[in-house]
Parts: sequence; C-alpha cells; structure tokens
Amino acid sequence: KAGVTQTPRYLIKTRGQQVTLSCSPISGHRSVSWYQQTPGQGLQFLFEYFSETQRNKGNFPGRFSGRQFSNSRSEMNVSTLELGDSALYLCASSLAGFTPNTIYFGEGSWLTVV
Amino acid sequence: AQSVTQPDIHITVSEGASLELRCNYSYGATPYLFWYVQSPGQGLQLLLKYFSGDTLVQGIKGFEAEFKRSQSSFNLRKPSVHWSDAAEYFCAVGAQGEGSQGNLIFGKGTKLSVKP
Repeated sequence: KAGVTQTPRYLIKTRGQQVTLSCSPISGHRSVSWYQQTPGQGLQFLFEYFSETQRNKGNFPGRFSGRQFSNSRSEMNVSTLELGDSALYLCASSLAGFTPNTIYFGEGSWLTVV
Repeated sequence: AQSVTQPDIHITVSEGASLELRCNYSYGATPYLFWYVQSPGQGLQLLLKYFSGDTLVQGIKGFEAEFKRSQSSFNLRKPSVHWSDAAEYFCAVGAQGEGSQGNLIFGKGTKLSVKP
C-alpha cells in the first residue's frame, strides 16, 4: 500500500510569490492534515480536511489556505511568500471519523523562500 | 490547553546501551499519544501509539513506551540502541472530539546521537 505522497519534494520561491503543494493520502484515508516544521517553532498544525471540508485550523495567517478534492487528495497554498515561510511542510492522512485513528505522515515538501 | 514537553533536547548514548526518552503531556481527558521518528531530511515515521488498554505499548524497531496517567508521561524506551537509531524523536498528543482528528500537538523533539 502506498504511503502519503507529497509533491514537489523541494522548491525554491522568491518573496512575494505564491506556492502550491500537493498531497495524496493513503488509499482509503479521508482525512488530510498539514503541518509546518521549522527549527524555531517545531511542528505546528496548519489545517485538516475531511470530505472536502476544512474542519480544523491552526493559528496561521490567511495567506495559508488549503483544499481537498473528492478523491481525498489535498493541496495547500501559501500566497505572498515571506522569508519566514521557509520550512518543511508535512502532510498527514488518517482514516478519519471520531474515534482515535493512526496518523501517517509523508516525506514532506521543503520550501525555501529567497 | 494541550501541551507536550520533551525535556531533553539532545541525548547521546553508546551503541548497545539502553535508552529512555521522556515525554510529559498536559491534557484534560484521556489523551491519544504517539511517538514519531524523523531522520535528517525525511518525514515522520510512526513508532508506536497509545489509545487505550494496556499501558505498555510495543512499536517498531524494538521500541516500547509506557503510559503513566498519574505522571502524565509517555516515555519511550529501547533496551539496546543501534547506530541506525540516531535521529530526532517526537512525542505527540492527539485531541479528542469531533473535528479534531488531525490536530496533533507535538513536543519540540529529542535528538538522539549514538556513539560507536
């Protein structure tokens, strides 16, 4: 069974640009969540999607947005990039529902903003 | 508010020695607890999880963790460390309730170095 797949793995953007990152969850998983990892702040929750609806959101500015498609694949977008947005962005998936579920992570997308 | 504390930023152990990584959490109800490992430049790999039941849980790669409610702890252990265990380890707590499935709170991580 394929794991969580994230694309692209590495990218470099310029301040002010926007970026879109993609995530394909494990087959059958309907919940997708996104995290930002930086050396200073550690791992921080961005948002979670289930059945194409955002059902939980972390404390990030509106420049960070996401969406989920009917096949559970998800994208996140960061507009007007700032240097501080340089980070590893991790996608995670789970079966979803309201009982505890194991959450699996992808390899991440490394974003460098110059 | 939920929080996770990993008191040790960096630990160095000799190969073959035992290992214990500490994790303390703050959460009002029964927590869902996870340990993940991250090798340099990689994503997070799940080592083990605790949802309910037996408080001693076994994971992959010979790791185990014990949930102690009275101490709000979920420490990770391994009896004999291998050089390949060198990585960063993250403890995380999951929220309960509708709509909170994907919201994990992570500790700051413990970096493990292994001496030959």
